[in-house]
This record gives sequence, structure tokens and C-alpha cells, in this order.
Amino acid sequence: EVQLVESGGVVVQPGGSLRLSCAASGFTFDDYTMHWVRQAPGKGLEWVSLISWDGGSTYYADSVKGRFTISRDNSKNSLYLQMNSLRTEDTALYYCAKDGGNSGVYWYFDLWGRGTLVTVSS
Amino acid sequence: EIVLTQSPGTLSLSPGERATLSCRASQSVSSSYLAWYQQKPGQAPRLLIYGASSRATGIPDRFSGSGSGTDFTLTISRLEPEDFAVYYCQQYGSSGTFGQGTKVEIK
Repeated sequence: EVQLVESGGVVVQPGGSLRLSCAASGFTFDDYTMHWVRQAPGKGLEWVSLISWDGGSTYYADSVKGRFTISRDNSKNSLYLQMNSLRTEDTALYYCAKDGGNSGVYWYFDLWGRGTLVTVSS
Repeated sequence: EIVLTQSPGTLSLSPGERATLSCRASQSVSSSYLAWYQQKPGQAPRLLIYGASSRATGIPDRFSGSGSGTDFTLTISRLEPEDFAVYYCQQYGSSGTFGQGTKVEIK
């Protein structure tokens, strides 16, 4: 089955750190750019970060640049998001998403996970 | 950054009716790099349309997308009960920004 499964979301204090994981299955993981997209409670969607198929290129939204780091392990079909210096405004459901294009970066998303909830609160 | 504005905020319609959702960009979206997503409560978004008018795999043909430049439209020809949801547009010609969403609710 083609799917993405996120994990790692918890309640963390402001200033804290967290690492999210996303396990991919059912497709050739290392053929695709992968993304993280988040959704604050009751709000819309916000793209967070992307990583190219080989990990050689990464991009970040201005809101997380310098605090979050995206990475991947193609041998484990896994995507990660290291989140440091967390702020209350980082509270959201974090989705792992597969890029819609085959090789390259197309920046739309044709497969989503169910998300993992990160709550930043004291 | 390209800002997308969706209208209306809420659309109240009955099953069987036609739904027309608008997405307007603050500047031209290159190569019609515009996508539409459907999100139901408690679920992840689902890709409906990419390239402004191409349906994603498995999407029924009652969903259609059109437009270019700064004005785009998602049309649902006849609403089915499962179509009541929130719809987001996203431009991906210059990074990837989303509109704020249109809720299609049962009248």
C-alpha cells in the first residue's frame, strides 16, 4: 500500500526540541522530493520544508529557517524534521507529503500522511 | 511571495448543485502551476487538480479546474454528499503557497 506515516509529535515547552519522522512505503522513495507541510489548529496549510531525492538540496519557509532541519535516509525510506528553538506558533499538525513530480521539484503534493501533532506550550 | 485569495469563504449548496470556487493570485502564476486540494474533517488533504486543469489519479470527472495568469476556478459539476469539505488552492510556480480555503457546506 502506498502510504506515509508520521510520528514523533508531542507536547514540548517553548525553546525545546523535537524530531519528527515519516515512514514511506509502496513507492520508490528515493525517486522523489519530499516535503513537510503544517496546519495550525483550525487554520490553513503552510509549506514548511523540502528535500530533494538525494538530500542534496533543502529549502525552508522563512518562518522556520535556521531552526528546523530536514533530512532523509533513503536506505530506510524515511524522512525527518529536526525542530529546535520551538515557539508557540509552531503548534500544528505536521504532514509529510510526497512531491507530485518524478525527479526534480514540482512543489505540489500527491500523497499525504495523516499527520503528527506538535504542541508547544508551557 | 505570491498571495492567493479564495472566494467565497463559505459556499452553502445542496447535493446535485454546481459549485464554483475561485482562487485569485496577487501576481501571475507561471506556467499555470496551480493545484487544488480537498480536505475533510480529521483527514489529510487530497490532491484533486494540478497544472490548473489536470485531474489527479482517481479523481472523478465532476471535478474540473480552469484558469491562467491570476484567476483560477475549481468547478464541481454536481455535488455529491462526500464533496462537502474545505478546498484549498496552491500555487507552485514560486515556492508553494496556499489560499486560505473555501468551505463547501450543505445548505
